[in-house]
Amino acid sequence: DSGVTQTPKHLITATGQRVTLRCSPRSGDLSVYWYQQSLDQGLQFLIQYYNGEERAKGNILERFSAQQFPDLHSELNLSSLELGDSALYFCASSVEQGFKQYFGPGTRLTVT
Amino acid sequence: TQLLEQSPQFLSIQEGENLTVYCNSSSVFSSLQWYRQEPGEGPVLLVTVVTGGEVKKLKRLTFQFGDARKDSSLHITAAQPGDTGLYLCAGALGGGGADGLTFGKGTHLIIQP
Repeated sequence: DSGVTQTPKHLITATGQRVTLRCSPRSGDLSVYWYQQSLDQGLQFLIQYYNGEERAKGNILERFSAQQFPDLHSELNLSSLELGDSALYFCASSVEQGFKQYFGPGTRLTVT
Repeated sequence: TQLLEQSPQFLSIQEGENLTVYCNSSSVFSSLQWYRQEPGEGPVLLVTVVTGGEVKKLKRLTFQFGDARKDSSLHITAAQPGDTGLYLCAGALGGGGADGLTFGKGTHLIIQP
């Protein structure tokens, strides 16, 4: 158990819909990272927040957004969903902007 | 373009054999991590290497970071069925990992009893 929690575990929704994925980092960790894992692209970095502020962006679509709240939990919002958005979404956390990132169990999103 | 190339992509060997997995790039990384992932679960951090030429040992696993910090290898001695899984290397380009990790596509390892 990494100490990072993610909800929900599974999510099935239809094209065009909007969903919110939630992540709680390890106790004391200030940085939260979101990643998408698909069979063809592997693990791709989406976005990072540090102590409530956006720190870095990766391959995140404009239809996707995220935020980190004062209690340090983070949410990833996915809108206008397409079939290709079906993937595993992982959250990771680290103490500061450190390289030792600890991953949560993931949310499996299926868009039908 | 895949920044981190892992080889082999798939590897199936018998219990007790030794194996090496490679992670190569043309980019220089400030640090490199190895993760192991089980199906349907999140990647689990095995080791972090930060210094060119660094070697770290974790029981039967030996990790090495290339002198130029562009490549890394994972060597497993006397592989066991419990070593089966997806092994991922991931590099940090920015200082402190501020830009997120760049992952290789992984090596699927199967150890047959």
